[in-house]
Amino acid sequence: KNEVEQSPQNLTAQEGEFITINCSYSVGISALHWLQQHPGGGIVSLFMLSSGKKKHGRLIATINIQEKHSSLHITASHPRDSAVYICAVSRNTGNQFYFGTGTSLTVIP
Amino acid sequence: DAGITQSPRYKITETGRQVTLMCHQTWSHSYMFWYRQDLGHGLRLIYYSAAADITDKGEVPDGYVVSRSKTENFPLTLESATRSQTSVYFCASSDLAGGSGEQYFGPGTRLTVT
Repeated sequence: KNEVEQSPQNLTAQEGEFITINCSYSVGISALHWLQQHPGGGIVSLFMLSSGKKKHGRLIATINIQEKHSSLHITASHPRDSAVYICAVSRNTGNQFYFGTGTSLTVIP
Repeated sequence: DAGITQSPRYKITETGRQVTLMCHQTWSHSYMFWYRQDLGHGLRLIYYSAAADITDKGEVPDGYVVSRSKTENFPLTLESATRSQTSVYFCASSDLAGGSGEQYFGPGTRLTVT
């Protein structure tokens, strides 16, 4: 069983729709990270959070530590948001990250 | 150029050959990581390093060797490449331990072992 589970695996949306990607984890963590991987492969960090909520432009990330669950929301989605979104957690012991398998998002104009 | 770079970006090699993937960062980050990315598995940690001359195994270290003689470089060597090592390899760096800091990823190296 993976320490990090994401849903859905694939998501297709119309431009302008509100999008939610979910992440559940089963281990104690020091932080949760949301990453974005564009076609072509580059990976960038979107958010790092250990509690509450963070917002950056049209992206919002929330975490519920008690429920071991995080969500990534995209408001007013745009075709340029099409990418793979990866949830990762860093455990509260050691230096390792554990990654979900990613959610592939396609936004259609 | 500033940042984290990997070379080569693409490599095709034969089974049994030794291959070295290079990773270089200009931030003087203490922590560096090697991951492989395969369909259905997500990113998996191969090795990481907390500082020069300090390395440790990750989730999938078998068949790989690392070294870190200088803070800015973290090469990954496949001593005798196998087809199962066909993958995309990402190097990353961080200035803080564990999950305290963001990880910055290189562009990746696509390795094919024939």
